[in-house]
Amino acid sequence: ILNVEQSPQSLHVQEGDSTNFTCSFPSSNFYALHWYRWETAKSPEALFVMTLNGDEKKKGRISATLNTKEGYSYLYIKGSQPEDSATYLCASLSGGSYIPTFGRGTSLIVHP
Amino acid sequence: DGGITQSPKYLFRKEGQNVTLSCEQNLNHDAMYWYRQDPGQGLRLIYYSQIVNDFQKGDIAEGYSVSREKKESFPLTVTSAQKNPTAFYLCASSTGNNEQFFGPGTRLTVL
Repeated sequence: ILNVEQSPQSLHVQEGDSTNFTCSFPSSNFYALHWYRWETAKSPEALFVMTLNGDEKKKGRISATLNTKEGYSYLYIKGSQPEDSATYLCASLSGGSYIPTFGRGTSLIVHP
Repeated sequence: DGGITQSPKYLFRKEGQNVTLSCEQNLNHDAMYWYRQDPGQGLRLIYYSQIVNDFQKGDIAEGYSVSREKKESFPLTVTSAQKNPTAFYLCASSTGNNEQFFGPGTRLTVL
């Protein structure tokens, strides 16, 4: 079983603050890294699918980076808004099985 | 309107009974998955199927069974052998890059 760790476990920020979280994963036999956003009472939805070392992806105010050699990915949110409040999950996939292993998530609450 | 449906949303079961959770997708995805979530835990994989008539155990398959007779359907049976079945269950399907598309989930409570 791959060990995927996310930090922090939870985060409270004020509207307008920028924030970031970390996902750590085993770097050996890396295949892909996924980020998902899971809002309360909804299904998790994919934010980014990342495969290449040095990848940077952006969607609006949210961006992510990937370092496959050292086994970490950062998710950044610029100018947080209350609607960004959600749990952010990362999932690592290794070559061979290609089955995602999820971290426990980072719960973000943005206060107006 | 493509997507994944799970039913029921809430399910109550008496101890010792088997119960089946439904998962249907009309996304034409080959692969489907069942996850379980407990408080403070990540999503843990129960079973997955990459093609019709084939499925594999995930990390916590004990006490569960599945079938994949049709591409669209991947029902999960929680048997009486599952020691702690109360949890939130998520079904997903995936495209070729393994991006997961999730259903709305079923919350199972054993009374």
